[in-house]
Amino acid sequence: GNSVTQMEGPVTLSEEAFLTINCTYTATGYPSLFWYVQYPGEGLQLLLKATKADDKGSNKGFEATYRKETTSFHLEKGSVQVSDSAVYFCALPQFVSGNQFYFGTGTSLTVIP
Amino acid sequence: EPEVTQTPSHQVTQMGQEVILRCVPISNHLYFYWYRQILGQKVEFLVSFYNNEISEKSEIFDDQFSVERPDGSNFTLKIRSTKLEDSAMYFCASSSQGVGNEQFFGPGTRLTVL
Repeated sequence: GNSVTQMEGPVTLSEEAFLTINCTYTATGYPSLFWYVQYPGEGLQLLLKATKADDKGSNKGFEATYRKETTSFHLEKGSVQVSDSAVYFCALPQFVSGNQFYFGTGTSLTVIP
Repeated sequence: EPEVTQTPSHQVTQMGQEVILRCVPISNHLYFYWYRQILGQKVEFLVSFYNNEISEKSEIFDDQFSVERPDGSNFTLKIRSTKLEDSAMYFCASSSQGVGNEQFFGPGTRLTVL
């Protein structure tokens, strides 16, 4: 089945620093790709998605581009804030015809003032 | 904005006891899911449910687990005889469409088995 490999954490950044969290995928075809975020004590929230190759998903200043050449979907933000401190998960449908998602291991981000 | 809700937020039980975790998916969604996340580990798929039946399940979802949609709003996960290793955060999710579409997650139920 499809899978993602996500950058290990934890990541600690100062406020206003540039963020990149790497995610590479292995997939049959070109499934939709997702980033979910989990704030402390909360559930998973969809952050952004891209449904086809070369698409760029964006939300709350975060961006990720679906790159089939490098099989990557790296998450970026130009200037992080303390409120961005959370765990970030890359995800995709695990099988072509199924609904189950495969989640990466998660990357914990802490932003310090 | 519609959201998935889950109750209870935290459940503590003794090993061997039955637990039922409850979820109310988004009202017009048709696909329902349970995932779990053992502390410090990745989010793992358990089961998906559509049209009143299980459509997929993982190896984790053995005979000790069952799901039910007892009425038009609730979606439950039952663990018949809990084990220590069932301790985890359990997330319910729903989606309006199937394959490849975004899933909306609830806040989770933390299950602690003693």
